[in-house]
Amino acid sequence: DAGVTQSPTHLIKTRGQQVTLRCSPKSGHDTVSWYQQALGQGPQFIFQYYEEEERQRGNFPDRFSGHQFPNYSSELNVNALLLGDSALYLCASSLRLGLAFNEQFFGPGTRLTVL
Amino acid sequence: GESVGLHLPTLSVQEGDNSIINCAYSNSASDYFIWYKQESGKGPQFIIDIRSNMDKRQGQRVTVLLNKTVKHLSLQIAATQPGDSAVYFCAEREGGNTPLVFGKGTRLSVIA
Repeated sequence: DAGVTQSPTHLIKTRGQQVTLRCSPKSGHDTVSWYQQALGQGPQFIFQYYEEEERQRGNFPDRFSGHQFPNYSSELNVNALLLGDSALYLCASSLRLGLAFNEQFFGPGTRLTVL
Repeated sequence: GESVGLHLPTLSVQEGDNSIINCAYSNSASDYFIWYKQESGKGPQFIIDIRSNMDKRQGQRVTVLLNKTVKHLSLQIAATQPGDSAVYFCAEREGGNTPLVFGKGTRLSVIA
């Protein structure tokens, strides 16, 4: 049973470019959340997708957008990259069960460096 | 390998000793708390969780204590091993599918 997978592992971009990061959730999971982790900080919530719709969003600008596909996999897109977007981007998957507590499983992350 | 946190508070513990990692949380409405372990180059890994209707929960070699009065959470690791070296984060949530809010993290360094 594969866990959460993310691609690519590392990525280098220049300011102003656009980037797409990908995530495949753990088997059986239907909800994907994205987090940004700056060096020396805890992860910060970007947004969450369920049933192909963005359900919740953290305090991130519209340059950050996402998508969820029918197979529950997800993409994170960042436009007009800034130096401050350099971070580890983490995907976490979970199973939505109404209001039940549900554990999130994290992928290994994609390290984005913006030059 | 990649460093998760370069300027985090660090706790250095002798191998075999017990470790205590502390966390202050901010949201009095949070009713679910989780400790994660993050090794270099990896995503956070679930260690143990606790709901707000409990004040203590034990796992294998780990214990989480919750003090809602002072909004404090702690993780105790018994007989700390070199493999426990990592960055530890506490996270809080108001329940259900609300987003996790992570603390700043503590680096645990185990001295062999």
